Amino acid sequence: DGGITQSPKYLFRKEGQNVTLSCEQNLNHDAMYWYRQDPGQGLRLIYYSQIVNDFQKGDIAEGYSVSREKKESFPLTVTSAQKNPTAFYLCASSIGPGGNSYTFGSGTRLTVV
Amino acid sequence: DQQVKQNSPSLSVQEGRISILNCDYTNSMFDYFLWYKKYPAEGPTFLISISSIKDKNEDGRFTVFLNKSAKHLSLHIVPSQPGDSAVYFCAASAGGSQGNLIFGKGTKLSVKP
Repeated sequence: DGGITQSPKYLFRKEGQNVTLSCEQNLNHDAMYWYRQDPGQGLRLIYYSQIVNDFQKGDIAEGYSVSREKKESFPLTVTSAQKNPTAFYLCASSIGPGGNSYTFGSGTRLTVV
Repeated sequence: DQQVKQNSPSLSVQEGRISILNCDYTNSMFDYFLWYKKYPAEGPTFLISISSIKDKNEDGRFTVFLNKSAKHLSLHIVPSQPGDSAVYFCAASAGGSQGNLIFGKGTKLSVKP
C-alpha cells in the first residue's frame, strides 16, 4: 500500500541538541511539506519542496532545516536555534503544487526537555 | 494575517443531529477548498473538497457549501455520529505553482451519544 511514513512517533531530546525527523513516501508524489501543530494554532507551514533538490521556506522556517536529495524522502532537522521546538510535526505530500489534496503522515511528537 | 479563519474553536452536537462547521477566507484568489478531519496524535485525513466553479459538493453524510460572494464555506454532517468527533480543518489554495494549502486553526467537534 502506498503511503507516507513518519518516524519515530515520539521523540525526546535535550535542549540544545539538533534532532532530525524522518519522512518517507512511496506515492510517487513530487511535492512534500512539513507542518507544525500547536494547540490553538492550527497547521503552520515550516518548509516545502516541489521537486527534488529544491525546497522553499514556509511561514515559520527559522530554526529548522530540510533536504530533498531523493523524491521519496524529506527529512526535517530541528536545530538548537528553534526557540520552542516541542510540538507535533506533520509531514505531507501531494502530486504537485496547485490545489491538490495532501496526504499526511501520522506525525511525530517532539518533546525537548 | 489569517487568510483562512475558523472562528469557532469547538462545537458540540447531539448524535443524529446536523453538525455545521464554518470557514471564512479573505483571499479572493483562492479557487479550491478542502476539509480535513484529524484525530488526536494522528495526521489529518482528507474529507471533501470543492472547486470555486461549484457551490455545493456532496459525499455521503458530508456536504460542503461554498458562497464565493461572502467568501464563506461550510461543512454539513448529517446525521452526526460519535465517530465524527475530531478536529476539522478548513484549507484553501490559490492554485498554480504557488498553490500551497493554507489551513485554518481548526474546529473541535464533539458528537454526544
